[in-house]
Amino acid sequence: AQSVTQLDSHVSVSEGTPVLLRCNYSSSYSPSLFWYVQHPNKGLQLLLKYTSAATLVKGINGFEAEFKKSETSFHLTKPSAHMSDAAEYFCVVSKPHSSNTGKLIFGQGTTLQVKP
Amino acid sequence: GAGVSQSPSNKVTEKGKDVELRCDPISGHTALYWYRQSLGQGLEFLIYFQGNSAPDKSGLPSDRFSAERTGGSVSTLTIQRTQQEDSAVYLCASSADLTQPQHFGDGTRLSIL
Repeated sequence: AQSVTQLDSHVSVSEGTPVLLRCNYSSSYSPSLFWYVQHPNKGLQLLLKYTSAATLVKGINGFEAEFKKSETSFHLTKPSAHMSDAAEYFCVVSKPHSSNTGKLIFGQGTTLQVKP
Repeated sequence: GAGVSQSPSNKVTEKGKDVELRCDPISGHTALYWYRQSLGQGLEFLIYFQGNSAPDKSGLPSDRFSAERTGGSVSTLTIQRTQQEDSAVYLCASSADLTQPQHFGDGTRLSIL
């Protein structure tokens, strides 16, 4: 079975300071991992994905995440928060792409607040 | 743009009525997925279609829920005899195939009175 746990339901940072959103996963496979962002009343936008290539993954809008197998973690970071980063962030796991399934399993989400 | 399109964006209906939600995927995408987002349950997988293969219905919560995909393109999610617990945002996503990232529509917000 696969699951993801987002360790913080709410994170608040000041504009210009670093962002860290934490995610741990559980998987009996070598997983594919994703971070999606959701702005209010919008669908989900893919920030970045890990699919067993480089362990440090760079995404859009300056975000990146590092896959650490030993810690079963896939934390999302950004060096400097912008007001437009305020949104809901989801850590997501799916079976590796070699499997015949595309089901995504979502974490409970982390709300990022950015203060001026 | 040519993203995933969902309609209606909002739907309010009375308990017991049937509703149909529509999803128009990105052109050429062979895989199409439905998810439900609710306050209590977060984001849950409902069903996916891949090409001409039988759909994976393992996430449908009850037999009141069904979905079809006609001609390998547009999909309709139908909820019969709606209940208040069906109130949620229903999200549709598509991908080029099962190995590619999923692109989401803006969702249909369903409210059952």
